[in-house]
Amino acid sequence: AQKVTQAQTEISVVEKEDVTLDCVYETRDTTYYLFWYKQPPSGELVFLIRRNSFDEQNEISGRYSWNFQKSTSSFNFTITASQVVDSAVYFCALSEDGYNQGGKLIFGQGTELSVKP
Amino acid sequence: DTAVSQTPKYLVTQMGNDKSIKCEQNLGHDTMYWYKQDSKKFLKIMFSYNNKELIINETVPNRFSPKSPDKAHLNLHINSLELGDSAVYFCASSQDRSDGSGADTQYFGPGTRLTVL
Repeated sequence: AQKVTQAQTEISVVEKEDVTLDCVYETRDTTYYLFWYKQPPSGELVFLIRRNSFDEQNEISGRYSWNFQKSTSSFNFTITASQVVDSAVYFCALSEDGYNQGGKLIFGQGTELSVKP
Repeated sequence: DTAVSQTPKYLVTQMGNDKSIKCEQNLGHDTMYWYKQDSKKFLKIMFSYNNKELIINETVPNRFSPKSPDKAHLNLHINSLELGDSAVYFCASSQDRSDGSGADTQYFGPGTRLTVL
């Protein structure tokens, strides 16, 4: 069964705080892909990162970093020194391998991050 | 030079009407998708098309009929609209992976907010 769980529905922080968004996934496949998307108040879905199941290296991009741990089926996202512009809904998603999966994304419920000045 | 575009951005209509949403991508991608985002922000795949061929239909009522006239377009036609169809509909596209195992990162259009009265 494929499933993505983002247990934190809403998080509120003050600017410059660090914040971690949790993502736990379930899949029976050995080859799969994990994603994070950002949905700002304007409504569009912005791609942030894609990782494949064979690459557990953590990744850092500016103030953003991602921690992928297969042992705990987690793919957590940390924003360092948060800014008001980081306020958005963040979605974690899973895509399983195989042509018949059609590349579909299984999304978590989303975490609404509010960064206050 | 918009990558994935959708029209219209907003659609307000009466129950029972038929309406269409258009999607175009200029990324040269092979696979296109429709997702539905409900009022709780939950995102769910509806359809996936690869090279104009339907790959996934996730138990969507047959009032919804996707049409792909070519690789760059995937339109969504909805018959006999119901109140529960009110949602934001997102189109997305991705490139096939070179190893033939499925699709790559999905890039989303700006969304179409459908309101059924």
